[in-house]
Amino acid sequence: KNQVEQSPQSLIILEGKNCTLQCNYTVSPFSNLRWYKQDTGRGPVSLTIMTFSENTKSNGRYTATLDADTKQSSLHITASQLSDSASYICVVSARGTYKYIFGTGTRLKVLA
Amino acid sequence: EAQVTQNPRYLITVTGKKLTVTCSQNMNHEYMSWYRQDPGLGLRQIYYSMNVEVTDKGDVPEGYKVSRKEKRNFPLILESPSPNQTSLYFCASSLRDARNTNTEAFFGQGTRLTVV
Repeated sequence: KNQVEQSPQSLIILEGKNCTLQCNYTVSPFSNLRWYKQDTGRGPVSLTIMTFSENTKSNGRYTATLDADTKQSSLHITASQLSDSASYICVVSARGTYKYIFGTGTRLKVLA
Repeated sequence: EAQVTQNPRYLITVTGKKLTVTCSQNMNHEYMSWYRQDPGLGLRQIYYSMNVEVTDKGDVPEGYKVSRKEKRNFPLILESPSPNQTSLYFCASSLRDARNTNTEAFFGQGTRLTVV
């Protein structure tokens, strides 16, 4: 069964610190992996999109990595800001399908 | 401004009273989809549409209907809402479907539906 699991479920860090969020998936055959940021009560916003052949992709202070062999991805946030407080969702799609498979997200809280 | 617009943002209704949540996009996207988001479950796809007059079921289609008569609009219809359809609903659109790596999906602001 195609699944996407994220860890931790929630995380609290101090402003200015770095953090790493994890995503493990069992989706096969793999097509691409996306990270989204979702502010409370709002729609998700795309951060990065990676294919099988890409190991890393950055978007400002956000850096996503992908290990297609172990089926793991991580999202690293550098020098966190209060505005980074949100849920971060990992989304995987399988080759040949029209669907996205969503993880349940990691809720990040950045404290001053 | 490129956007996906959902209406209404908030809705409280009673069991069995038909309702429609509208979704409109101004980006000429072919692919549109509806999701529901429940605590601890993440987003689950209800229906999707590859283009005008082409729709298909997602993972949780029971109790919902959709139509795609125009490219920009993709309304979600609940013919007889029940309390278990209380949820946060999102509409999304993209140029192509999930198979296309370079396609970014744009989400609406969400509709919070409560069925009592």
